[in-house]
Amino acid sequence: AQKITQTQPGMFVQEKEAVTLDCTYDTSDPSYGLFWYKQPSSGEMIFLIYQGSYDQQNATEGRYSLNFQKARKSANLVISASQLGDSAMYFCAMGNIPQAGTALIFGKGTTLSVSS
Amino acid sequence: DAGVIQSPRHEVTEMGQEVTLRCKPISGHDYLFWYRQTMMRGLELLIYFNNNVPIDDSGMPEDRFSAKMPNASFSTLKIQPSEPRDSAVYFCASADRGQLRNEQFFGPGTRLTVL
Repeated sequence: AQKITQTQPGMFVQEKEAVTLDCTYDTSDPSYGLFWYKQPSSGEMIFLIYQGSYDQQNATEGRYSLNFQKARKSANLVISASQLGDSAMYFCAMGNIPQAGTALIFGKGTTLSVSS
Repeated sequence: DAGVIQSPRHEVTEMGQEVTLRCKPISGHDYLFWYRQTMMRGLELLIYFNNNVPIDDSGMPEDRFSAKMPNASFSTLKIQPSEPRDSAVYFCASADRGQLRNEQFFGPGTRLTVL
């Protein structure tokens, strides 16, 4: 069965610093997709970044990058130059096909707090 | 595009009442997902559709829950009868398998409170 594990319930970082949010996954499928979503206190789910299992390069989207280590089954989110607006809950998710048309399994989330 | 639209945004009802949550996916998307978020269980898939056909409903808690997608622009999630443990935020999401950017677009959610 597929599983997503986020071991950090909470992370604290100073503004302008980089932060890494951990995510490990477990699957026996050879192809899959990994997603990160941000959920601010207002409750909406905001897509951040996607990595397909066959993608050779780590995904990047602006200040977000995904440190994908396939052999270790990890897909850590790196946020560079943190901003106060980055304070939110962050969810790692996996789908069993490397596309958006897949049911997602979510981790428990990590709460990120950015201070000035 | 207006994004995924859900209604109502908030629903408060009494135990035993029927509750209907509604979702309008992004036009042209061929996948629609219903997720539920609770403190205890986190975010979990309830059911998803492809081209209006239910593909996987294994996450539907029990027979009290039902979902339909009568056409490509509308889906409902019904709970009858509702129970206090159904209190949660229910998200609808849609996706296009052919899209360049792999993103599931989430609606704003419906916060359901069952008293």
